[in-house]
Amino acid sequence: DVKVTQSSRYLVKRTGEKVFLECVQDMDHENMFWYRQDPGLGLRLIYFSYDVKMKEKGDIPEGYSVSREKKERFSLILESASTNQTSMYLCASSSLRTGVDQPQHFGDGTRLSIL
Amino acid sequence: QKEVEQNSGPLSVPEGAIASLNCTYSDRGSQSFFWYRQYSGKSPELIMFIYSNGDKEDGRFTAQLNKASQYVSLLIRDSQPSDSATYLCAPIGAAGNKLTFGGGTRVLVKP
Repeated sequence: DVKVTQSSRYLVKRTGEKVFLECVQDMDHENMFWYRQDPGLGLRLIYFSYDVKMKEKGDIPEGYSVSREKKERFSLILESASTNQTSMYLCASSSLRTGVDQPQHFGDGTRLSIL
Repeated sequence: QKEVEQNSGPLSVPEGAIASLNCTYSDRGSQSFFWYRQYSGKSPELIMFIYSNGDKEDGRFTAQLNKASQYVSLLIRDSQPSDSATYLCAPIGAAGNKLTFGGGTRVLVKP
C-alpha cells in the first residue's frame, strides 16, 4: 500500500511566522502535490513537482513556496503566515507511468491554524 | 463555467437504495476519471477509476463514462450508512498527471 505521511496532524502558528509542512511518500513516486481544502472552495492545487528539484505552480501559489531535495520528500513553506492561510493542507503523490494515468494518493492532512 | 461540476448536495438516500452522483467536465482532452470518497475530517481515498466509455463495476460501485457528452457518473448500490461522505470527481487533463477536482457531492444515507 502507498503510504503518504504528513509530519503534523494539527499545527498552530502565529501571524508572520515561517511555517514548514513536510510530506514523505514511500512508493518511489515521481509526482508530488500540495493542496489546500476549504469549506465551499473544494481542493485547490498550490504547487506540484514531477521530479527532484523541479516545481510548478498550481492554481493558488501566492504566499507559498516548495522544496523537493529528495524524491520522497516534498515540503510546503509559508514564507510569512497570515490568517487567511488557516486551512486543511493535503499532500498527495502519484506514479509517472507512461500510457496509463495514475491516481493520486493522499496523506492524512495537516489542519493548520494561524493566529 | 467551472472545469469540473458536481451538485454539492446533500443527496439524501434511504438505506438500501441506489445513490446516483453526476459530474460534468469541460476539458475534452481528459482521458481518465477518478472518484474519491472523503469522510468528514479525513483525506480523500480512491474508490474507482474509469477511462473507457461505458460502465465499470467494482463491488457496489459502478462508474459510467460518456466522453462525447463530457459526463461521468457514480452509482452506489445498496447504500449503507457508512457510504455517507463527500464524493469527489477528478478527471486527468490532457496535459498529464494533474487532477482537477470537482467540489464534491455530499451523500447522506439514512437508516
